[in-house]
Amino acid sequence: GQQVMQIPQYQHVQEGEDFTTYCNSSTTLSNIQWYKQRPGGHPVFLIQLVKSGEVKKQKRLTFQFGEAKKNSSLHITATQTTDVGTYFCAFKTDDYKLSFGAGTTVTVRA
Amino acid sequence: DAGVTQSPTHLIKTRGQQVTLRCSPKSGHDTVSWYQQALGQGPQFIFQYYEEEERQRGNFPDRFSGHQFPNYSSELNVNALLLGDSALYLCASSVSTGLLGYEQYFGPGTRLTVT
Repeated sequence: GQQVMQIPQYQHVQEGEDFTTYCNSSTTLSNIQWYKQRPGGHPVFLIQLVKSGEVKKQKRLTFQFGEAKKNSSLHITATQTTDVGTYFCAFKTDDYKLSFGAGTTVTVRA
Repeated sequence: DAGVTQSPTHLIKTRGQQVTLRCSPKSGHDTVSWYQQALGQGPQFIFQYYEEEERQRGNFPDRFSGHQFPNYSSELNVNALLLGDSALYLCASSVSTGLLGYEQYFGPGTRLTVT
């Protein structure tokens, strides 16, 4: 069945630097969602992308959906300690089921 | 406006026992989904309830069952617990239709440990 791979699994970032995490699928996706889970917390919805080539920004976070709708990326600029956590991409296989990737766990060096 | 609530927060059970986890959805939401999240992994879809019926099910055995009540709250039951059932169980609520139907709100989860 459809699934997404997230790379890298771990991202160690110096505070103030930028980084990007990727979400890749072998098949075309109708949508992609991003969630953030803080250590010891629960997933929190960040954004949904549905259009080919779509780009959305939330402050220091930039989300992109590939032209072929097979990949997505999350780019964070000027990383802060508040960005620590695991970032998951997920997609809806139909109207009901949400399938998650394994996540990218981000740590920040002050 | 209360968000999604789950109870209990933590639970320790013995192999072979049965457990019931509870979830109250966010106000205005009518759909509840349950997920299992093992340590270091992404959430895995167990099933979704809408209008008091199971609408879709993931790759979980029949030992996992659920229920949705008329007030939209939901229960997850797991029978004959195995050590591998130890995980964080997350409940997520959403609205069934409309532009906002894609966004799922997760509860804080129930940490289940099977010994």
